[in-house]
Amino acid sequence: AQSVTQLGSHVSVSEGALVLLRCNYSSSVPPYLFWYVQYPNQGLQLLLKYTSAATLVKGINGFEAEFKKSETSFHLTKPSAHMSDAAEYFCAVSEGQTGANNLFFGTGTRLTVIP
Amino acid sequence: DTAVSQTPKYLVTQMGNDKSIKCEQNLGHDTMYWYKQDSKKFLKIMFSYNNKELIINETVPNRFSPKSPDKAHLNLHINSLELGDSAVYFCASSRTSTGEQYFGPGTRLTVT
Repeated sequence: AQSVTQLGSHVSVSEGALVLLRCNYSSSVPPYLFWYVQYPNQGLQLLLKYTSAATLVKGINGFEAEFKKSETSFHLTKPSAHMSDAAEYFCAVSEGQTGANNLFFGTGTRLTVIP
Repeated sequence: DTAVSQTPKYLVTQMGNDKSIKCEQNLGHDTMYWYKQDSKKFLKIMFSYNNKELIINETVPNRFSPKSPDKAHLNLHINSLELGDSAVYFCASSRTSTGEQYFGPGTRLTVT
């Protein structure tokens, strides 16, 4: 079974500071991992995905994430926060090519950027 | 050129009514999904359809029924609506093998 844990339901950073959003996963098969962003009253937008290629994945808007199998982690980072980054961020896992394509989401982390 | 669209965006209805939410994707994807997002923002898969066949059906009450007239559409029918059905419902689509899902803008359902 797949599951995701996001540590910290709320994260606040100053504009220009490092953004670090934590995600740990559990999967019985090699996982596919995703980060999605949700702006207020909008749908989910894919930031980046890991599908067993390079462990460091670069996404849109300057975000990146590193897959660490030994730590079962897929933390999301951005070197310098921008006001427009304020949103809800969701980590998700699927079974990928070895099984059904269902996404299992974490509970989300709300990012606040302080000017 | 919306990739995944849903109608309506907002739906307010009374308990006991039957309602439908429509979803369309113009991406040529093979698989479509319905997710429910509760008041705490938790997202949970409800259904997925692959080439017009239901392939996953989570523990969802049988009052909810997905209907796919063709590969580009997956509608959600809800019978005998209950207060607990109030949530935001998201449609999504993907190519079967990549896992990358594209989401619609959501339908906020309020049951009074």
